[in-house]
Order: sequence, then structure tokens, then C-alpha cells
Amino acid sequence: SQQGEEDPQALSIQEGENATMNCSYKTSINNLQWYRQNSGRGLVHLILIRSNEREKHSGRLRVTLDTSKKSSSLLITASRAADTASYFCATFTSGTYKYIFGTGTRLKVLA
Amino acid sequence: GAVVSQHPSWVICKSGTSVKIECRSLDFQATTMFWYRQFPKQSLMLMATSNEGSKATYEQGVEKDKFLINHASLTLSTLTVTSAHPEDSSFYICSARDIGVSGQPQHFGDGTRLSIL
Repeated sequence: SQQGEEDPQALSIQEGENATMNCSYKTSINNLQWYRQNSGRGLVHLILIRSNEREKHSGRLRVTLDTSKKSSSLLITASRAADTASYFCATFTSGTYKYIFGTGTRLKVLA
Repeated sequence: GAVVSQHPSWVICKSGTSVKIECRSLDFQATTMFWYRQFPKQSLMLMATSNEGSKATYEQGVEKDKFLINHASLTLSTLTVTSAHPEDSSFYICSARDIGVSGQPQHFGDGTRLSIL
């Protein structure tokens, strides 16, 4: 079964605005990753954050992880129309050696 | 960067046909590959974990005889949808991890869109 729940399910913003997506999970994890998927394509890895890390940055992306709340957030700053895609979190637990994906957030950035 | 090639990218075939999908890691070795299924506007559902040289591990509810997985080498895993029916129509995506690099994310193929008529 899917472990991660993401909200919002869909988000529509204007170009230049920030977009925040949240992911919650149920069990202990080793790391959490965020992926992007353009329509009809495979997934592109964005950021990996380990369980002992609280925040990571990569360009316009900022990811936070709160293991006490079992939640993570992805912030995209100064969004662009090209950021329009679906974004998924995925958790990895070494005990199960599996990646479990969240339900995803469909982001639409309007030019 | 690490590249995973998935082939074919699109298949349309008649009901009852068996379809084979290949997943190759092009520039790294992968003892483990994963097969996912994705319905429109939904998330990826893990179907099975493909292990090189041994049997695949299937998730609950996934029919082993329906979805045959073979991981014959460190760079190739195949998923065969046997006697496919319209309800098998979906987007199938594979991924692989580089065994030589610890703590790294999985790398995804571009997916295969399967349409059964």
C-alpha cells in the first residue's frame, strides 16, 4: 500500500510565486526523496534527504524533513511555467528495501 | 549521470497477447530493479522488486503468473505481461539503483505505455 500522502493534490499558481507541497508518511525511514514527473514520462530525481537531516537546498528547491511528525515539504521558489509537472515524495526503508511513493501533487504554473 | 533505458515506450496490441518490456541500466550495475504501475493521474504503485539471479519479490495483490519478471544480468530486467487484457492497460515504469554507490536514489526509465485493445 502507498505510504505517503501528499497535499495539496493539485496546486495552481502564477509564475514567480512559490509553491509548497507536503508529504506525510507512516513508518520510520532511512531517507526521503522528491521526484518530478512530466506528463507521460518517467520520474526525475530532485532531492534526497536522509533521516538525520532537517533541510536541504538545491537551486530553487528547498526540502525539509521532520521525522518526529513524519512529514516533509518541498518548496519551489520563483516558479516558472516549466515547473508544471507532478511531484512525488518517496520514502526508503532499509528494512524493506523498498521505495514507497506518495499520492503526488499536480502543480500548474501559469505564465 | 546514471541512465535507465526502458523499451518499448509505447505498445498497442490485441487482447490475449503477451508483451515484454525491457529495463536496462546503461552506465551502472543494478542488482535490484523495481517495476511500478501507474494509472492516469495517480501515483506509482510498486508491483515487484527484481533481483539479479533470483526470483522477484511481488507485492501483495500482484499476480506472479500474470507479470513475469526476469533479471538475468546486472544491467537488464524484463517484465512480461502475459495474455494481456484491457484492464492491464497502464503506464509501466522501471527503476534501478547503482550498487556501487550507497545512499543514492533510484533512477527511472521513461516508462512504457501499454494499451490493450
